[in-house]
Amino acid sequence: AQSVAQPEDQVNVAEGNPLTVKCTYSVSGNPYLFWYVQYPNRGLQFLLKYITGDNLVKGSYGFEAEFNKSQTSFHLKKPSALVSDSALYFCAVRSYGQNFVFGPGTRLSVLP
Amino acid sequence: GAGVSQSPRYKVAKRGQDVALRCDPISGHVSLFWYQQALGQGPEFLTYFQNEAQLDKSGLPSDRFFAERPEGSVSTLKIQRTQQEDSAVYLCASSYRGTGNTIYFGEGSWLTVV
Repeated sequence: AQSVAQPEDQVNVAEGNPLTVKCTYSVSGNPYLFWYVQYPNRGLQFLLKYITGDNLVKGSYGFEAEFNKSQTSFHLKKPSALVSDSALYFCAVRSYGQNFVFGPGTRLSVLP
Repeated sequence: GAGVSQSPRYKVAKRGQDVALRCDPISGHVSLFWYQQALGQGPEFLTYFQNEAQLDKSGLPSDRFFAERPEGSVSTLKIQRTQQEDSAVYLCASSYRGTGNTIYFGEGSWLTVV
């Protein structure tokens, strides 16, 4: 069975500082990994994904994520946080023949 | 529009009432997904279509929930005899066929059962 863990319910960071939102996963085959962001009263917006190739993936709005196979992690990062990055972030995993499984979400608050 | 369109955006239903939620996927997307999201939680899988075929309905919580996509485009999620625990956001997403393809979400239908 597939599963996703996001160990932090809430991450607080000061504007301009680097941010990390953590994600670990469990799948039986090769993982396809995704990050989505959700603003209040909105649907989920795609940020970036890892399918194959370089372990460092760059996405929208300056976000990037690093795939680490040995640690089964896919942490989301950004070098310099903005107040407008404050939102709910979801990590998701999929493997061949399986459906998307989402993590419980991490609420990011960027403080001015 | 270019995105996934869902209607209604907000629905208040009396307990016991039937509701129908509509999803119009991105043109050309053969895969369509329905998810249920409780407040502040991650989306939970309900069902999956490839074209008109419902390939997985393992996430539907009870036989009161029914989904269809008769012509392989627009999909409807129907909830019969709504209960208070059905109150949630119902998200529709679509993608091209293939495991590595990104799924794109609509804005969701917010259902409140009173």
